[in-house]
Amino acid sequence: GQNIDQPTEMTATEGAIVQINCTYQTSGFNGLFWYQQHAGEAPTFLSYNVLDGLEEKGRFSSFLSRSKGYSYLLLKELQMKDSASYLCAALNSGGYQKVTFGTGTKLQVIP
Amino acid sequence: NAGVTQTPKFQVLKTGQSMTLQCAQDMNHEYMSWYRQDPGMGLRLIHYSVGAGITDQGEVPNGYNVSRSTTEDFPLRLLSAAPSQTSVYFCASSYSPKFQETQYFGPGTRLLVL
Repeated sequence: GQNIDQPTEMTATEGAIVQINCTYQTSGFNGLFWYQQHAGEAPTFLSYNVLDGLEEKGRFSSFLSRSKGYSYLLLKELQMKDSASYLCAALNSGGYQKVTFGTGTKLQVIP
Repeated sequence: NAGVTQTPKFQVLKTGQSMTLQCAQDMNHEYMSWYRQDPGMGLRLIHYSVGAGITDQGEVPNGYNVSRSTTEDFPLRLLSAAPSQTSVYFCASSYSPKFQETQYFGPGTRLLVL
């Protein structure tokens, strides 16, 4: 089975940097996704990490440590439109590959 | 490309009624899946398919049936709706379960069971 933990809510200021953490305990771990979901909308893909280290995509970066079962999403130069839920999800390679989602972190960006 | 489409967007059912949630994708993706999203629970996998004619259960399959007769379509059937099935349902697809890449989500179906 899989267990994924991330904070329920976070608040950050416009222009600042925020780090959203995710820890996971899985069998057959193959990689970790981050999705963004605005209220009332579908999740959209942000990043995927399979190897240890930091992957940068513009204002967003994602980090993975397989040995520690830990990942984080780093958002720089926060904008009001970044207010959304951020979903951490693990890819399990046991049998057919399946994705297990965490409960999501609701980020509120304030002026 | 329309991507992943879902119908209906909203639905109200009475307990015991049956219905089918439709999902279609035009990206020739092999892998399709159904999730439900409830407050505080995150997205939970209901059923998934790795290709036409092949389906398997996810984390919460009870009360739901699926079939995959074509690559494009992956309908989800509620056989006898219960209030516990009130949720937002998302369909998703990706190119292949063998490749580690993103899933594309449909806009969701909001279901209320009275």
